[in-house]
Amino acid sequence: GNSVTQMEGPVTLSEEAFLTINCTYTATGYPSLFWYVQYPGEGLQLLLKATKADDKGSNKGFEATYRKETTSFHLEKGSVQVSDSAVYFCALPSTNTGNQFYFGTGTSLTVIP
Amino acid sequence: NAGVMQNPRHLVRRRGQEARLRCSPMKGHSHVYWYRQLPEEGLKFMVYLQKENIIDESGMPKERFSAEFPKEGPSILRIQQVVRGDSAAYFCASSPPNSGSTGELFFGEGSRLTVL
Repeated sequence: GNSVTQMEGPVTLSEEAFLTINCTYTATGYPSLFWYVQYPGEGLQLLLKATKADDKGSNKGFEATYRKETTSFHLEKGSVQVSDSAVYFCALPSTNTGNQFYFGTGTSLTVIP
Repeated sequence: NAGVMQNPRHLVRRRGQEARLRCSPMKGHSHVYWYRQLPEEGLKFMVYLQKENIIDESGMPKERFSAEFPKEGPSILRIQQVVRGDSAAYFCASSPPNSGSTGELFFGEGSRLTVL
């Protein structure tokens, strides 16, 4: 079945630093890929997604490119802010019908002023 | 349009008691998912339901845990005879029908269960 492997954290960066969180996947075919974010005390919310190979998802300054050659979907942001402190999850749907999603273990990001 | 509503937000139970967690999906959504997030761990799939049907319960512990999504009313995750290891955040998510694998999940804010 489908699965994701996500870079382990925690990650601590200074404000305006460059961020990369690695995510690689194993999948049958080319499923959509997702990044979710969980702010402290809240539920997960979709950050961005890419529905096919070579697509780039972007939102709030974050980007991720669906690369089938390297089976990766790394999350990047050029200049992080304190408000980006959260846990980030890479996710993809299972091979079954319906929207069963498998999530990576999550990467905790702390941005310090 | 209200989002996914979960209640209670916080629940404290003593060992051996029962915990009931409720989830009302977004309007128009007929698919409900329950996930568990243990302290310092990732999100683990528990069960996927549609109205009156359990589609996939491969992530549910075999004992003490059950879930339902009746024709009317919210989805309920029930934990009988709770133990300290059940302490976690339980998240519900929903999605519309026919959204397929390109859709997204809409999460509630979670119910945080503490077992004393």
